[in-house]
Amino acid sequence: QVQLQESGPGLVKASETLSLTCSVSGFSISSGFYWAWLRQPPGKGLDWIASIYHSGDTYYNPSLRSRVTMSVDTSQNYFSLQLNSVTASDTAVYFCARRAALTGYLNWGQGILVTVSS
Amino acid sequence: DIVMTQSPLFLPVTPGEPASISCRSSQSLLPSNGNTYFDWYLQKPGQSPQLLIYLVSTRASGVPDRFSGSGSGTDFTLKISRVEAEDVGVYYCMQALQLPHTFGQGTKLEIK
Repeated sequence: QVQLQESGPGLVKASETLSLTCSVSGFSISSGFYWAWLRQPPGKGLDWIASIYHSGDTYYNPSLRSRVTMSVDTSQNYFSLQLNSVTASDTAVYFCARRAALTGYLNWGQGILVTVSS
Repeated sequence: DIVMTQSPLFLPVTPGEPASISCRSSQSLLPSNGNTYFDWYLQKPGQSPQLLIYLVSTRASGVPDRFSGSGSGTDFTLKISRVEAEDVGVYYCMQALQLPHTFGQGTKLEIK
C-alpha cells in the first residue's frame, strides 16, 4: 500500500523559505509516476504547485516558478519542496501526491498546515 | 491557464436521491491522442482529496458504482445515482491536459 507523509515546520516567518518533505512508503519513487505538491489555502480550493518525474524532470506552476524548487532523493525515497520569500498568501495546507499520466492523483498525503507569520 | 468552472457550488441532497455536478473548462480537454485528461475528486471533511474518476468516466479502485462521470470537450458531469450520508464533502473537477493542472472551485454536497 502506497503511503505519503508530509513533514516540515508548521510555522514560517514572512520572507523566509518554506521547506517540506514527502516521505514515500510502499513504492519506490525511482520506479516511475509523477510526484507532486499541491496546496489548499484555508477554506479555499486546490492549487497545483509542482511535479517531478522519477528521472528528475520538474514542472512548476508559472505563478510560483520564480520561488519554488522541487527535488527528489530516490535513495531515501522522498521528495521535497522549497518555496522562497513566503508571504501570508502562502499560508495553506500542503499536500504531496502521486500521479500516473492517465489515472489521476491516486495517492495523497494527509496534508500539513503551514502558517506564514508576519 | 485552463479555467474550470463548477456548478452548483452548494448542493443539498436528500439521502437516496440523485445528485449531479457540472464542470466546464475554458478550452477543450480533448487532445490528439484521444484521452481526455479530466478527473473528479472528493474531499471529505477533515480529509485529503480522494480520486473518484479519471479520464472522464473511469471509476478509481474502490469507488462505488453509484458514481458516474460523463462528458466531452468542455462540458463534464458527475452523477451520484443515490446519495448516501458518506458522500458529503466537497467535489472538485480537475484538468490534466496541460500544466498547470487546474481545479474547479468545488461543490459542497450536504445531506438535507
